[in-house]
Amino acid sequence: DGGITQSPKYLFRKEGQNVTLSCEQNLNHDAMYWYRQDPGQGLRLIYYSQIVNDFQKGDIAEGYSVSREKKESFPLTVTSAQKNPTAFYLCASTSTGENIQYFGAGTRLSVL
Amino acid sequence: KQEVTQIPAALSVPEGENLVLNCSFTDSAIYNLQWFRQDPGKGLTSLLLIQSSQREQTSGRLNASLDKSSGRSTLYIAASQPGDSATYLCAVLDYQLIWGAGTKLIIKP
Repeated sequence: DGGITQSPKYLFRKEGQNVTLSCEQNLNHDAMYWYRQDPGQGLRLIYYSQIVNDFQKGDIAEGYSVSREKKESFPLTVTSAQKNPTAFYLCASTSTGENIQYFGAGTRLSVL
Repeated sequence: KQEVTQIPAALSVPEGENLVLNCSFTDSAIYNLQWFRQDPGKGLTSLLLIQSSQREQTSGRLNASLDKSSGRSTLYIAASQPGDSATYLCAVLDYQLIWGAGTKLIIKP
């Protein structure tokens, strides 16, 4: 089935540790996005990538890093510089010229 | 800067009632508006997409309207069911997708 797969579903980070959230899509979409959701707030854009080997910062990129080495994959690393990483992270993709974003099931990140 | 507001933040109604969720946005220069559903601990499901040139879209018991001039959209749910309980999010697309904070809906059996 076509779709977006995020893993893991739950992730725990120790203080000072970097963790990487996986996002894979088999929809042949060009653009991919990472969002963060905090309780009671809307989604906020962390990073997005319109094409392989290119990505742009969103509204809250500090403390995060991404790579886009393959069209299908857009991993997000939450670095130790991100002081408040506890949140629900959603990955999305969209095809060029299409206005609908397709979302993964999300990863819930907590700090130990 | 585009801002999206959803009112109310939470809503609890008895099963069978018709209800309306509201979404307002500050800049009318949008490409489209989407309504999503989010179930606890899960990702998002797209419900309805209204292009900027459209006034409404319907899917089953759901009807979404768009009034760009007033910066408003409504999601109408007919004959609500307990399975409709979820958080409903609206998002507008201008140069990027801007999200509201959502309305948490509880349908009581």
